[in-house]
Amino acid sequence: GESVGLHLPTLSVQEGDNSIINCAYSNSASDYFIWYKQESGKGPQFIIDIRSNMDKRQGQRVTVLLNKTVKHLSLQIAATQPGDSAVYFCAENGSSYKLIFGSGTRLLVRP
Amino acid sequence: NAGVTQTPKFRVLKTGQSMTLLCAQDMNHEYMYWYRQDPGMGLRLIHYSVGEGTTAKGEVPDGYNVSRLKKQNFLLGLESAAPSQTSVYFCASARGLAGGTDTQYFGPGTRLTVL
Repeated sequence: GESVGLHLPTLSVQEGDNSIINCAYSNSASDYFIWYKQESGKGPQFIIDIRSNMDKRQGQRVTVLLNKTVKHLSLQIAATQPGDSAVYFCAENGSSYKLIFGSGTRLLVRP
Repeated sequence: NAGVTQTPKFRVLKTGQSMTLLCAQDMNHEYMYWYRQDPGMGLRLIHYSVGEGTTAKGEVPDGYNVSRLKKQNFLLGLESAAPSQTSVYFCASARGLAGGTDTQYFGPGTRLTVL
């Protein structure tokens, strides 16, 4: 099985409940943020992004909130499903070419 | 569109052997990246390229070389593999938008074991 993230913080939620995954970013000059989902044995998959001129953006069942004052990003997943079980990473644009990735949070969905 | 593809998917090497990992993208992206991912350490940037014929070092470049001879391909080479290079390797690409407000799209990964 996938060995990535053996020591990651884990969020366990009941199927159907809402999930909130948090991320603290490092650079106050960052102006673009992304959430990725990584399922076991697969590459990171884009979920949603947000620019710094916004504080909230919604997608299908997902919402990203940005609080620039405290350099905090959150991902809310509505009505969490078993298929949402994965590791979730936030990323910020560290420079014109690169992203800085967080270490990730593992989401476990209990049936 | 296939997106970002990587070959091989799995490989086992002996210490001192060499190999090349191939990344290909069909999205006409300017930027390409190689990362490694180790347990509990997240994604670490090895090398990247902002266009055909250009490469630059990332966070952990030692022991690796890269080439971007064609826009759609980005090769990662290990000249003399070491056990410390046992990892999962991901390639990513991005359009290359001004200001860095740009999503990176990832391949499925290559799992490399060095004995």
